Amino acid sequence: KAGVTQTPRYLIKTRGQQVTLSCSPISGHRSVSWYQQTPGQGLQFLFEYFSETQRNKGNFPGRFSGRQFSNSRSEMNVSTLELGDSALYLCASSPGTANNEQFFGPGTRLTVL
Amino acid sequence: GNSVTQMEGPVTLSEEAFLTINCTYTATGYPSLFWYVQYPGEGLQLLLKATKADDKGSNKGFEATYRKETTSFHLEKGSVQVSDSAVYFCALTGSYNTDKLIFGTGTRLQVFP
Repeated sequence: KAGVTQTPRYLIKTRGQQVTLSCSPISGHRSVSWYQQTPGQGLQFLFEYFSETQRNKGNFPGRFSGRQFSNSRSEMNVSTLELGDSALYLCASSPGTANNEQFFGPGTRLTVL
Repeated sequence: GNSVTQMEGPVTLSEEAFLTINCTYTATGYPSLFWYVQYPGEGLQLLLKATKADDKGSNKGFEATYRKETTSFHLEKGSVQVSDSAVYFCALTGSYNTDKLIFGTGTRLQVFP
């Protein structure tokens, strides 16, 4: 069974631009979560989607948004990029029943110049 | 709210030494507890988990026991290898109807031959 895939793997943008990251979960998984990893703040939860509905949301500004499609694939969007948005963005999927382990993708490394 | 506290790193050991990485948590209800590992340049991999008090999770020689009385989930391995060098994250999910993970800050392990 294929693992979680994320595209692109690396991205360089400039301040003020917007970016869209994509995540394809493990086949059959209905829940997708996104996390931001930075050296200063560690791993922080962005949001969680289940069956196309946002089930949970972290403490990030409205510039960060996401969605999930009917095939469970998910995208996250960051508008008006700031230097502090430079991070590794990790996507994770799980079957969707609560308190399950999550399976992580390799991440998208975003650099904002 | 729910939180996870891990010992600061880096932890530096010689090959075949005994490893302990401390993890304590604060949570309401009955969280599930996890250890994830991150190798350089990669995403997170689930190492082991425990879903109720006194459960012992184990994998690849690593073990951790869910101790509700001390709110701890310490990671141990009897004999580390150079290939175990990585960052280890303790995490929990504690809320109903979500797979959201709350992570500790991570502990870097360096094993020398």
